[in-house]
Amino acid sequence: AVQMTQSPSSLPASVGDRVTITCRASQGIGNALGWYQQKPGKAPKLLIHGASSLQSGVPSRFSGSGFGTDFTLTISSLQPEDFATYYCLLDYNHQWTFGQGTKVEIK
Amino acid sequence: QLQLQESGPGLLKPSETLSLSCTVSGASISSHGYYWGWIRQPPGKGLEWIANIYYSGSTYYNPSLKSRVTIPVDTSKNQFSLKLSSVTAADTAVYYCARLGTLAPGGNYYFDYWGKGTLVTVSS
Repeated sequence: AVQMTQSPSSLPASVGDRVTITCRASQGIGNALGWYQQKPGKAPKLLIHGASSLQSGVPSRFSGSGFGTDFTLTISSLQPEDFATYYCLLDYNHQWTFGQGTKVEIK
Repeated sequence: QLQLQESGPGLLKPSETLSLSCTVSGASISSHGYYWGWIRQPPGKGLEWIANIYYSGSTYYNPSLKSRVTIPVDTSKNQFSLKLSSVTAADTAVYYCARLGTLAPGGNYYFDYWGKGTLVTVSS
């Protein structure tokens, strides 16, 4: 099975900061990666699919990049509503694996 | 507007079978091109994919749970279910049902609509 390593686990940041979260796959997965945002007590929300495609309705300050084994989620200018936990998700050979999560918290 | 709603007992004893249902409204679970799945999240921890099913019966399971999981579908009720046998305290979690769709032609599947989740606690 493909393993996902997400980092960092915690990311202190301030409003207006540029924030980057990474996921690394144990083997090449093409662009089969999505990113989710989860707020406390809520279901996750899909932000990015296909590594770099913005889901409908998601603000353009969110962007994704990468192909193969290394992927990044970038928030260009952190807003108050962006403090949350972020997860990557891969779909490889009909096996879905979430990253460990990154909690973006107030510095 | 597609909505999913989980239902089932919130408290189980060790060795019992967890049984949850997901009722889908606003779309048919027989719609071509969509899978339906279950994900769980232990308190304070990350997300774990459990299993997915296509309305025709094709299924995919997390290998770590496969021996204990079944996911029946009832198209007449527009529902799918999760049955997890021989539960232990380690199965305590919020359980989510979700739809998987391909968001680009020929693309991979992503969980794009989620239920609100239901907490299941396993305790003697």
